Formats: sequence, C-alpha cells, structure tokens
Amino acid sequence: AQKITQTQPGMFVQEKEAVTLDCTYDTSDQSYGLFWYKQPSSGEMIFLIYQGSYDEQNATEGRYSLNFQKARKSANLVISASQLGDSAMYFCAMMGSSNTGKLIFGQGTTLQVKP
Amino acid sequence: DTGVSQNPRHKITKRGQNVTFRCDPISEHNRLYWYRQTLGQGPEFLTYFQNEAQLEKSRLLSDRFSAERPKGSFSTLEIQRTEQGDSAMYLCASSLGLGSPDTQYFGPGTRLTVL
Repeated sequence: AQKITQTQPGMFVQEKEAVTLDCTYDTSDQSYGLFWYKQPSSGEMIFLIYQGSYDEQNATEGRYSLNFQKARKSANLVISASQLGDSAMYFCAMMGSSNTGKLIFGQGTTLQVKP
Repeated sequence: DTGVSQNPRHKITKRGQNVTFRCDPISEHNRLYWYRQTLGQGPEFLTYFQNEAQLEKSRLLSDRFSAERPKGSFSTLEIQRTEQGDSAMYLCASSLGLGSPDTQYFGPGTRLTVL
C-alpha cells in the first residue's frame, strides 16, 4: 500500500522568508512520482512541482523546489521568498507504477504568510 | 486554453435525493478523474476514465455512485439516494494520459451539502 504523511497541520512564515513543508512517503514500488499541489480557499488544486523517483536532481519550479531524499523517503517542498498569496493548503501526493492513474494524497499543511 | 470546469459549483440537497455533477476536462486530455475531499482531509480517489472506458473504481464508490464519460469528453458523477455522509467537495481532474509525469490538472470542485 502507498501512503503519504504530512506531519505539520499548520505553519506560519514571515513574508519574504523561506519555508519547508514536510512530506514522507511509503511505497514498495521502484518507480513512482511525487507531486505537490496548492489549494487556496477557493478550492481549486493547483499543480506546483513534480519529482520522479529516478530523477537524480531535485526539481525546481520558480520559487518552489523539492528536497528529495530517496533513502529517507522524504519529498519536502521548499518555498523561497514567501508571498502573501502563498497562504493556502499544500498537499503532497504520489503515484506509483503499480497504481497508475491514482494519486494518493497526504492530509495537507496549512501555510499562513504573515506581512 | 481553458482549464477543467465543473458544474454546479455548489449543490444543496435533501437526504434521499439524487444529484448529478458534470466535469468538462481540458480539451485533448484523454484521462479524467474523480476525487472526493472532506473537510480538513486530502482528496481521495474515486474513479478514472481513459477516453470513455472506466479503468478503475475505488471501494469508496458505493453502488449509489455512478460515473460516466459517454463520448470520451465530459463526465458526469451521479449520487443516488444521498446521505449526509456524502457531503464533501467533489473534484474532477484531467490529464493527457501520455508520458511521465502524467500530471493531473484539477477543476474548482463541486461542493455538496446534504441536509
């Protein structure tokens, strides 16, 4: 079975500072992908960044980067230079080769950016 | 290029009534997914389609739930004899169905309240 664990229910960060949102995962698949989504209060899930299990370099997309530590089974999201618009719920999700088509989500972390 | 659209955005119904939701995927996306999200939780997979074929159904999808994608374009999710436990956000997503990663892009969701 695949599982995603996000242990931080809520986080605060000062505007313009960096913040790390934790995600650990469990899977027996050798090939899998890890995704991060942002969900503002409007409800829509917005795709942020992807990391494949065989990717040797950490993924980056603008102010988002993924700190991928395969041996520790962690895929933490780093947001640099936080902005007020980053306040939202953030979800880590995975899809394994044994379960293509199906994203498994964690419980999410609420991020609040303070001015 | 428009994103995934869902209608209605909000639905309030009485217990025992039937409801139907519609999802229009991004054009040219072959795969379409349905998820359910309850308050404070991550989305849970319900089912997905490759074109008009329903490839997987979660055990969460009881006999009261049925999903269709008759011409491989839009999809409908029907819930018969609604129960209060069906109150949730119903999210639709679509993807190309090709390549890696096969990123899923979500719509704004339909929030169902069963009284």
